[in-house]
Amino acid sequence: QVQLVQSGAEVKQPGASVKVSCKSSGYTFTSNYMHWVRQAPGQGLEWMGLISPSGGSTTYAQVFQGRVTMTSDTSTSTVYMDLSSLRSEDTAVYYCARDQGFSGYTLDSWGQGTLVTVSS
Amino acid sequence: QSVLTQPPSASGTPGQRVTISCSGSRYNIGSNTVNWYQQLPGTAPKILIYSNNQRPSGVPDRFSGSKSGTSASLAISGLQSEDEADYYCAAWDDSLNGLVFGGGTKLTVL
Repeated sequence: QVQLVQSGAEVKQPGASVKVSCKSSGYTFTSNYMHWVRQAPGQGLEWMGLISPSGGSTTYAQVFQGRVTMTSDTSTSTVYMDLSSLRSEDTAVYYCARDQGFSGYTLDSWGQGTLVTVSS
Repeated sequence: QSVLTQPPSASGTPGQRVTISCSGSRYNIGSNTVNWYQQLPGTAPKILIYSNNQRPSGVPDRFSGSKSGTSASLAISGLQSEDEADYYCAAWDDSLNGLVFGGGTKLTVL
């Protein structure tokens, strides 16, 4: 079965960067886009962008452009999300989610989430 | 302010039918399919409905989705206590070139 396992919780100072990983198993890694979605405490879901693991092409949400970088490593079936210039408002749970691949950007499997806390 | 608009809360008693609305524009719901996600407390979201009205395997047929124009709806019939969760609609937005979510609806089973 599809499994997405994310890296552990992080605490960062304002201005720093954070890199969250998401390791995939149970399917062909290069066949499906991977999305990143975040959720601030008590808030809704916010899409950050997606990556095509096969070629590395990315699409980022406008609000994160210039601050986010998504990469993939096909040798380990892992995608990464790097967010820079962190501020307190970036405190959130960050999820990776697999795109179903055949119907309108459906996120059919989700990682367990990684809590990133930005605090001085 | 979310691009897709949902009511912040909804409620019903066990066995009742509840609907949750999701309003968008011609750039998102009006031109792309709608998905619905269920998020139980303390867990990651889970796909509930895709392509407007399709249920993934394992999702009970008590859950149904529909779309008309620039709006969509999620209906839950035979409400059960375990349906108490947050529900989010989502669709691709051609103007923003990105995926947009509704603000979420917290469903309470009274």
